[in-house]
Amino acid sequence: DAGITQSPRYKITETGRQVTLMCHQTWSHSYMFWYRQDLGHGLRLIYYSAAADITDKGEVPDGYVVSRSKTENFPLTLESATRSQTSVYFCASSDPTSGGLETQYFGPGTRLLVL
Amino acid sequence: DQQVKQNSPSLSVQEGRISILNCDYTNSMFDYFLWYKKYPAEGPTFLISISSIKDKNEDGRFTVFLNKSAKHLSLHIVPSQPGDSAVYFCAAKHFGNEKLTFGTGTRLTIIP
Repeated sequence: DAGITQSPRYKITETGRQVTLMCHQTWSHSYMFWYRQDLGHGLRLIYYSAAADITDKGEVPDGYVVSRSKTENFPLTLESATRSQTSVYFCASSDPTSGGLETQYFGPGTRLLVL
Repeated sequence: DQQVKQNSPSLSVQEGRISILNCDYTNSMFDYFLWYKKYPAEGPTFLISISSIKDKNEDGRFTVFLNKSAKHLSLHIVPSQPGDSAVYFCAAKHFGNEKLTFGTGTRLTIIP
């Protein structure tokens, strides 16, 4: 099924553990993004990628690592999870060359709880 | 430093009436603005957008107004329907820059 998917949808982990959240899109969009949503903060950009092998920091990158070896995948890794990383994480993609609407398309989100 | 602000965390409106959601921004470099709608347990979905060369954009029941001098935009929903109950995020960007800056969101509840 085409679109943008995230896995897992729900994850419980413990402080100090490494966690990887997956994001996959089938549109071949060049840009991909990771956001976290927290009450009172809205959506904050963690990292983004303009193309395979090109990534850059967003507003709140500390404690996170990303990679993009293939255009369609953009995993987000929490190297050593902390309670403050409990959040809902959204992946998004966009294609600035589409010549159409300038918007981002979001996945369904991953709810992460760090105990 | 919150560059995009939605000062009303919540709003309740009677079904059939007009819903007005507000958004303010501080960065004068922003020249493209978007509204997203978000239901619980789902990702945000694009609703409507406006570029800074316009002051109004309509799409069915949804209209976005932009006041550049006041650095203010608003989303009007007329008439409001129960399915409009959701969290609405305002977002802004520089044209040609793919990064979006989001507001904190407004939870809209439509009362039947």
